Amino acid sequence: GDSVTQMEGPVTLSEEAFLTINCTYTATGYPSLFWYVQYPGEGLQLLLKATKADDKGSNKGFEATYRKETTSFHLEKGSVQVSDSAVYFCALASGSARQLTFGSGTQLTVLP
Amino acid sequence: ETGVTQTPRHLVMGMTNKKSLKCEQHLGHNAMYWYKQSAKKPLELMFVYNFKEQTENNSVPSRFSPECPNSSHLFLHLHTLQPEDSALYLCASSRELADPSYEQYFGPGTRLTVT
Repeated sequence: GDSVTQMEGPVTLSEEAFLTINCTYTATGYPSLFWYVQYPGEGLQLLLKATKADDKGSNKGFEATYRKETTSFHLEKGSVQVSDSAVYFCALASGSARQLTFGSGTQLTVLP
Repeated sequence: ETGVTQTPRHLVMGMTNKKSLKCEQHLGHNAMYWYKQSAKKPLELMFVYNFKEQTENNSVPSRFSPECPNSSHLFLHLHTLQPEDSALYLCASSRELADPSYEQYFGPGTRLTVT
């Protein structure tokens, strides 16, 4: 079945540091890939997505590239801010499952 | 503002109580979902509805009973819950199930505590 493996957290960075959160997946066919973010006390919000190989999703300075050859969708940001502190979830949706499969989430804390 | 609202935001109930969680989406979507989010566990999909019809029940105990009267509203009826059911219950919607590229939009969740 489909699965998503995410980098274990928590991750603690200083403001303006470079961020990478690794995400790899297993799926049949050609899934769509997503990054969701959950701020404290809130539900999940879509951060970015990519629907086919080599697509790059981007939003709010975050980027992730759909790499079919390595089955990866790593999240990156060049310079994090305190306001980026949240839990980040990698997810996929494949045509066969017709539902989102989530990774376990990575807690990011950015210190001033 | 995500377009998906949930009420109540917080709920404390005893094991013998009956309560309901409500979700409403204002996005014109046709698919709706219930998820359970427990501390230190991955998000668990509970139920899926597409055009008001239940398409998925991920082995959820019968003490959780969903209801979808129309494409905009989704309820989760709770009765005889256990303390381990304490969690954040998230509702989500998407345009429809057929296309996996359609993202899901989440509500803020209901924080449930079973005493």
